[in-house]
Amino acid sequence: GAVVSQHPSRVICKSGTSVKIECRSLDFQATTMFWYRQFPKQSLMLMATSNEGSKATYEQGVEKDKFLINHASLTLSTLTVTSAHPEDSSFYICSAPRGAAETQYFGPGTRLLVL
Amino acid sequence: SQQGEEDPQALSIQEGENATMNCSYKTSINNLQWYRQNSGRGLVHLILIRSNEREKHSGRLRVTLDTSKKSSSLLITASRAADTASYFCATGVAGGYQKVTFGIGTKLQVIP
Repeated sequence: GAVVSQHPSRVICKSGTSVKIECRSLDFQATTMFWYRQFPKQSLMLMATSNEGSKATYEQGVEKDKFLINHASLTLSTLTVTSAHPEDSSFYICSAPRGAAETQYFGPGTRLLVL
Repeated sequence: SQQGEEDPQALSIQEGENATMNCSYKTSINNLQWYRQNSGRGLVHLILIRSNEREKHSGRLRVTLDTSKKSSSLLITASRAADTASYFCATGVAGGYQKVTFGIGTKLQVIP
């Protein structure tokens, strides 16, 4: 089946630094990828839709200048959390639909802890 | 607010028993999907049911969809300890790539 990877799986950083998270589709091309955030014991909240070759579409309430998304190629999307603060600590998950598939393939997630 | 709301939020059963989880949603959908998430991990797609379908089976999983009530149920038969996980329903709307909205999830614990 389709595989989506994320890197790193876990990151700890100091407040004020920026953190980049990569999402890769390993055996298929994805012109669209989705970024979610999940707080402990809560559901996944869609943050933004990453579009290859164009700007990302952000959900209401998500600061685009804080969460920079770059869909550099058909297999890679990156999420950069800029000037991270402790409240940005969360589990970030990406997903990608394969072709015209209705289902999405999810990455294993990245746990971010901002001290 | 969440499009999907699962019920119950937590469920604890003995191995071998059946587990039923429900999901309600608010708006019209193209399909409804169920996912599973082991603690601290990514999501695994379990099953998708389209709005024109009423029931679907996959192994020990049975999903029903009632669009008139805007609800769905996931039944796991003969549960195993390995089924312990959180289960989420997600609704997909028509048009382009699926933008799914997740419910809050049901945390299932299967006791060996």
